[in-house]
Amino acid sequence: GAVVSQHPSRVICKSGTSVKIECRSLDFQATTMFWYRQFPKQSLMLMATSNEGSKATYEQGVEKDKFLINHASLTLSTLTVTSAHPEDSSFYICSARVPVQGGNQPQHFGDGTRLSIL
Amino acid sequence: AQKVTQAQTEISVVEKEDVTLDCVYETRDTTYYLFWYKQPPSGELVFLIRRNSFDEQNEISGRYSWNFQKSTSSFNFTITASQVVDSAVYFCALSEAYRDSSYKLIFGSGTRLLVRP
Repeated sequence: GAVVSQHPSRVICKSGTSVKIECRSLDFQATTMFWYRQFPKQSLMLMATSNEGSKATYEQGVEKDKFLINHASLTLSTLTVTSAHPEDSSFYICSARVPVQGGNQPQHFGDGTRLSIL
Repeated sequence: AQKVTQAQTEISVVEKEDVTLDCVYETRDTTYYLFWYKQPPSGELVFLIRRNSFDEQNEISGRYSWNFQKSTSSFNFTITASQVVDSAVYFCALSEAYRDSSYKLIFGSGTRLLVRP
């Protein structure tokens, strides 16, 4: 089945550091990828939709300058948390939808990145 | 506005019991898709099922079964003869056919299932 790889799986860094998270579709080309954020014991909240070759579409309340998204190729999207602070500590998870004709194909998720800002 | 409600925050059962996880959704669209995902303690999300709004047939896959009722806007998930490995958080999600075809997922709050030996 479709595989999405996310790296790194865990990051611990000091406040003020910028952190880059990669999301790769390993066996298919993903024109659209999604970035979610999940706080402990809470649901997944969509942060932005990443479109290959164009600007990401951010959800209301998500700071574009804080969470930079780049989707430079059909298999790679990156999320950079700039100048991270403790309140940015969370579980970040990406997903990609297989671009198959015929309706809404399920999104396949990466394994997530647990970000801890000290 | 679209919304997914999973009223059961946590469920605890003993192994081999049957358990049903409830999901109620709201949408104004006539075309939409419903999903169930499993999130084990390791964190990854595992796709379980997709159902479109025009297909109300119930589905069975091994010990898993799903009951889709448009009349009550529900898409419930039943695990038969539960096992310890079923312990996880289960998310119900809704997706609509947007004009830009991005098919964003709206997740419910999740139900944490604990299966005790």
